[in-house]
Amino acid sequence: DVKVTQSSRYLVKRTGEKVFLECVQDMDHENMFWYRQDPGLGLRLIYFSYDVKMKEKGDIPEGYSVSREKKERFSLILESASTNQTSMYLCATDPGQGDLNEQFFGPGTRLTVL
Amino acid sequence: GQNIDQPTEMTATEGAIVQINCTYQTSGFNGLFWYQQHAGEAPTFLSYNVLDGLEEKGRFSSFLSRSKGYSYLLLKELQMKDSASYLCAVMDSNYQLIWGAGTKLIIKP
Repeated sequence: DVKVTQSSRYLVKRTGEKVFLECVQDMDHENMFWYRQDPGLGLRLIYFSYDVKMKEKGDIPEGYSVSREKKERFSLILESASTNQTSMYLCATDPGQGDLNEQFFGPGTRLTVL
Repeated sequence: GQNIDQPTEMTATEGAIVQINCTYQTSGFNGLFWYQQHAGEAPTFLSYNVLDGLEEKGRFSSFLSRSKGYSYLLLKELQMKDSASYLCAVMDSNYQLIWGAGTKLIIKP
């Protein structure tokens, strides 16, 4: 079974703080993704990565950055947290090969910025 | 622009059948996914359709019509544990997933 873990389930930070969200997967998947999920909206892609040290902007990258120094680890960084970044953050992976690129999700981090 | 539409909320009775619809307008099509998400949990994969027709998997079936930009998820013999949100997602020409907002399904005894 694919296991995707995220560093925290719940996080409370103050406006202006630098926030690190970490995602680790144990199945040697090529692709990793960071989404945010807000009520009434679909999952929105922030950043994704197809390989180590490689990153691509998603639909809403503003205010975020990412790091992928090792294949199994994909970090999301909020450089200066703001209240509109209060959300559920979901990390996902897929193998990057084959016809069915099913995404596997971590448990999510519910971030509150005060 | 790209768009996925699905009802916000549906209610059904335990033991009954429910159909959750999804319509899409995307730049290209490389498959449609359905995921289940229980409250406070991560989405989990249910089904994948890339060709027209019905895919059956136990109590769950998923249908696709590419010419109509339409899919549905059919849940039979509903159980209380089926209370969850059901997310429709389409893979576009760039192999990016475009997600609908999800349909919250409430099952009543």
